[in-house]
Amino acid sequence: EPEVTQTPSHQVTQMGQEVILRCVPISNHLYFYWYRQILGQKVEFLVSFYNNEISEKSEIFDDQFSVERPDGSNFTLKIRSTKLEDSAMYFCASSPAGGDTQYFGPGTRLTVL
Amino acid sequence: DAKTTQPPSMDCAEGRAANLPCNHSTISGNEYVYWYRQIHSQGPQYIIHGLKNNETNEMASLIITEDRKSSTLILPHATLRDTAVYYCIVRVAGTGRRALTFGSGTRLQVQP
Repeated sequence: EPEVTQTPSHQVTQMGQEVILRCVPISNHLYFYWYRQILGQKVEFLVSFYNNEISEKSEIFDDQFSVERPDGSNFTLKIRSTKLEDSAMYFCASSPAGGDTQYFGPGTRLTVL
Repeated sequence: DAKTTQPPSMDCAEGRAANLPCNHSTISGNEYVYWYRQIHSQGPQYIIHGLKNNETNEMASLIITEDRKSSTLILPHATLRDTAVYYCIVRVAGTGRRALTFGSGTRLQVQP
């Protein structure tokens, strides 16, 4: 069964550094998303992406964040200058055309020191 | 999207049915009920969804009341691997590119 994959599974970085989290959505899916979950808190939406542009973004998704689909398979989330409060699990998700069901990857644990 | 209310936690004995309730009294006619779960810190996993008819798949059954103001997710034979946080989410159909809004969900503990 196809699934969303994410790399790396765990990323440790120093405050102020740039990080890129990578995702390979399910092939032939058209909508892509990033969510995050700070330890012990709810899953929060960051951004959705469709047709090579951002469809929707939350207040969390400020100028420090960007997303890109550099090729036909990868979907990336970049944090330009990480802060301590960016430490969280980051989940990528995708959904097919016309589909409301989102399929999530296993997540990347980001630790900012 | 309509607001949902779920109990914060529930226990269930292994092998028994787990019945997880969700209240969505302000649901509108074009809103579906979705269920996801999150096992430990893994990514949320889609379980099932429905509009007004009861639905069943290989994972679970979804029972929606006639007035659609509440629903119940049924795991017919719960196993230890079903221990997770279960989220009931209501959303308008055809809004696939929009965010899912996760609440606090119900933490289901399956006991041996």
